[in-house]
Amino acid sequence: KQEVTQIPAALSVPEGENLVLNCSFTDSAIYNLQWFRQDPGKGLTSLLLIQSSQREQTSGRLNASLDKSSGRSTLYIAASQPGDSATYLCAVRPEGLYAGGTSYGKLTFGQGTILTVHP
Amino acid sequence: NAGVTQTPKFQVLKTGQSMTLQCAQDMNHEYMSWYRQDPGMGLRLIHYSVGAGITDQGEVPNGYNVSRSTTEDFPLRLLSAAPSQTSVYFCASSEDNFKTQYFGPGTRLLVL
Repeated sequence: KQEVTQIPAALSVPEGENLVLNCSFTDSAIYNLQWFRQDPGKGLTSLLLIQSSQREQTSGRLNASLDKSSGRSTLYIAASQPGDSATYLCAVRPEGLYAGGTSYGKLTFGQGTILTVHP
Repeated sequence: NAGVTQTPKFQVLKTGQSMTLQCAQDMNHEYMSWYRQDPGMGLRLIHYSVGAGITDQGEVPNGYNVSRSTTEDFPLRLLSAAPSQTSVYFCASSEDNFKTQYFGPGTRLLVL
């Protein structure tokens, strides 16, 4: 069974600091890995999607890396801002479930890292 | 595009009542799914669909039914609500396994 772990569970940093969030998974048979952001009381917003054949993806101040063989991903946030405060979730899409002859990759989520960026 | 929409945003039910949570997407996505999010448990898959007329169970399907008569809609039915179904429910969709998964804003359900 795929298990996803995120470390740390919570992180508090001053504004302007660069930071790294970690995500590890136990089964390397994945289609891709996705990082999400969730604000309190809100839904999940997709930040970055990395296919299993890729090493990294970048979007603005965000950079996500993937080492599939070791089961690790990191989300790097540069020059953090108070508006970055949120819960960050990683999810892997393992090869797997089948319905109607089609393989459906069920997202398996980590527990999330609660990030607080204070002014 | 409105993306993934869910209604209602919040609902209070009494034990034993039934209701349907609505989910719709306007991106012509084949894959749709329902998750519930609980403190300490993370997000867990309830049911999923890979296209109109095709549905299957996820990790925690008991007490829930789904159907997929159109590509756009994927309603989740609670047959007889129980306090253990108090949770936040998210609907999600994607084009396929290799594309971004989009989530709706969620429905907060309280069962008394």
